[in-house]
Amino acid sequence: DIQMTQSPSSLSASVRDRVTITCRASQSISNYLNWYQQKPGKAPKLLIYAASILQSGVPSRFSGSGSGTDFTLTISSLQPEDFATYYCQQSYSTLPYTFGQGTKLEIK
Amino acid sequence: QVQLQESGPGLVKPSQTLSLTCTVSGGSISSGSYYWSWIRQPAGKGLEWIGLIYTSGSTNYNPSLKSRVTISIDTSENQFSLKLSSVTAADTALYYCARDQGSWGRIDYWGRGTLVTVSS
Repeated sequence: DIQMTQSPSSLSASVRDRVTITCRASQSISNYLNWYQQKPGKAPKLLIYAASILQSGVPSRFSGSGSGTDFTLTISSLQPEDFATYYCQQSYSTLPYTFGQGTKLEIK
Repeated sequence: QVQLQESGPGLVKPSQTLSLTCTVSGGSISSGSYYWSWIRQPAGKGLEWIGLIYTSGSTNYNPSLKSRVTISIDTSENQFSLKLSSVTAADTALYYCARDQGSWGRIDYWGRGTLVTVSS
């Protein structure tokens, strides 16, 4: 399996802060990397796919970058509704797809 | 707007088979190049991909679960299903059905999830 490691596991930040979450793959996955946001009691929501393409309807303050093994999700100016848990997912190999362990973004 | 809804028993006894169905509305399960997936999440933990099925009926399963998992599709009912055999307490989780776009493996529509508890 391709292991996905996110850092940090948790993060405290304030509204209007710029925040970066990192995801590292155990082997090269090209740009087959997706990011999801999950709020308590809700299903995950797709934010970014192919490492850097914003899913339709997602605010432009979200951006993604990276290729190979190292990827980042950046929120340029945190809004109150952005406090949630974020997951990366590799889709380079379907045997199996794997997710990072999650990064919980909390209000400072 | 595509919607997915999981259904099935919320309580399953150890060693028995967990069976869930996902009903797709707002579009045909057969249209487009989509894959239909199952993903689970134990309480307070991360996401684990279980497997997917193509509209052709071909499947990919997580190797860690492969010996116990069967995913099937019923295009006439616009549904796909999950069976997980020989369950233990470790299979207690929130089970999501979801649509995989196919391209880039992006999972763009999710059901609300259904909690399955394995307990005697």
